Amino acid sequence: DAMVIQNPRYQVTQFGKPVTLSCSQTLNHNVMYWYQQKSSQAPKLLFHYYDKDFNNEADTPDNFQSRRPNTSFCFLDIRSPGLGDAAMYLCATSRDGAAGQGIIYEQYFGPGTRLTVT
Amino acid sequence: RKEVEQDPGPFNVPEGATVAFNCTYSNSASQSFFWYRQDCRKEPKLLMSVYSSGNEDGRFTAQLNRASQYISLLIRDSKLSDSATYLCVVNLGRGGSYIPTFGRGTSLIVHP
Repeated sequence: DAMVIQNPRYQVTQFGKPVTLSCSQTLNHNVMYWYQQKSSQAPKLLFHYYDKDFNNEADTPDNFQSRRPNTSFCFLDIRSPGLGDAAMYLCATSRDGAAGQGIIYEQYFGPGTRLTVT
Repeated sequence: RKEVEQDPGPFNVPEGATVAFNCTYSNSASQSFFWYRQDCRKEPKLLMSVYSSGNEDGRFTAQLNRASQYISLLIRDSKLSDSATYLCVVNLGRGGSYIPTFGRGTSLIVHP
């Protein structure tokens, strides 16, 4: 089945120790998103890609970086995790729906990576 | 006004009840609307896309009111398994493009 896969599902890191979360997809979607979700809050968009075109949200801290080496894979790097970065990190994909014209298609989410910072 | 706003609830209803949620949005130019369901500690999953004419899928009905800038989700004959958080998503303008923006979700608890 086509799907979105995230690894690892659970990640424990120490304060200040860099960590990388990965996402892969077999849907061949050209749009990929990274969200941060804390308890009882809405998923918060960190950045997204249209193909290799990277779009950073204005309020995403510099501590968060991303790479998309090809259509299938996308990585989230947290350079110096703080206690406030503990959250669920969700990767999602969608077809390109001519976003410049206000049209987007539904998103497919991976199961998420739950990050704990000690 | 928040860009996408939902009543967080919780809505606590008995099995068999009908329950409705609303979601208001700030950008009148938005053209794509969705309802997602999220179970505790799981990822959001698409429940329904929302079309201008309204759409129905079994016990679920979604409607769009452009004039008042809200979408609604109606659940009929609630089941215990409907207990979850329901997230609305609206595409909002960002610097010439549009991105999906989530509401904080409405919690539904269906009890026996």
